[in-house]
Amino acid sequence: GDSVTQMEGPVTLSEEAFLTINCTYTATGYPSLFWYVQYPGEGLQLLLKATKADDKGSNKGFEATYRKETTSFHLEKGSVQVSDSAVYFCALSDRYSVNAGKSTFGDGTTLTVKP
Amino acid sequence: DTEVTQTPKHLVMGMTNKKSLKCEQHMGHRAMYWYKQKAKKPPELMFVYSYEKLSINESVPSRFSPECPNSSLLNLHLHALQPEDSALYLCASSSGTGNYEQYFGPGTRLTVT
Repeated sequence: GDSVTQMEGPVTLSEEAFLTINCTYTATGYPSLFWYVQYPGEGLQLLLKATKADDKGSNKGFEATYRKETTSFHLEKGSVQVSDSAVYFCALSDRYSVNAGKSTFGDGTTLTVKP
Repeated sequence: DTEVTQTPKHLVMGMTNKKSLKCEQHMGHRAMYWYKQKAKKPPELMFVYSYEKLSINESVPSRFSPECPNSSLLNLHLHALQPEDSALYLCASSSGTGNYEQYFGPGTRLTVT
């Protein structure tokens, strides 16, 4: 079945540091890939997405590129802020599978940014 | 409007109570989801409704009963819950086609005593 593996956390950075959170996936089909963010006490928010190979999703300074050859979708940001402290989930959805519409989530990576 | 609303925000119930969680979206989405999330864990899918029909039930115990009265509303009826059912319950919606990106509500924090 489909699966998503994220780098283990927690990750602690100083403000303005560079962020990378690794995500790799396995899927039988050709999935769409997503990053969701969950701030404390809230639901998940879609941060960015990519739907085909070499697509780059971007939002709020975050970027991730769909790499089919390495089955990866790593999240990056050039300069993090304290307000970026949250849990980040990598996810996929295979629209051509029998369970189209069902998303598979990674375990989440907790990011803490210190001033 | 990309908002999914959920009520109540917090709920405390005894093991013999019956209560319901409510979810609403006005994005014209045709797929709606219930998830259960424990602390420091990813959301676990419970149910999916597609075009108002139950399409996925992830072997959820019968003490959880979903209902989709129309394309904008989703309910989760709770009865005879156990303390281990205490969690954050998240509702989400997606267009039902295409890439299936999901929009989540803020969740209901449920405590079973």
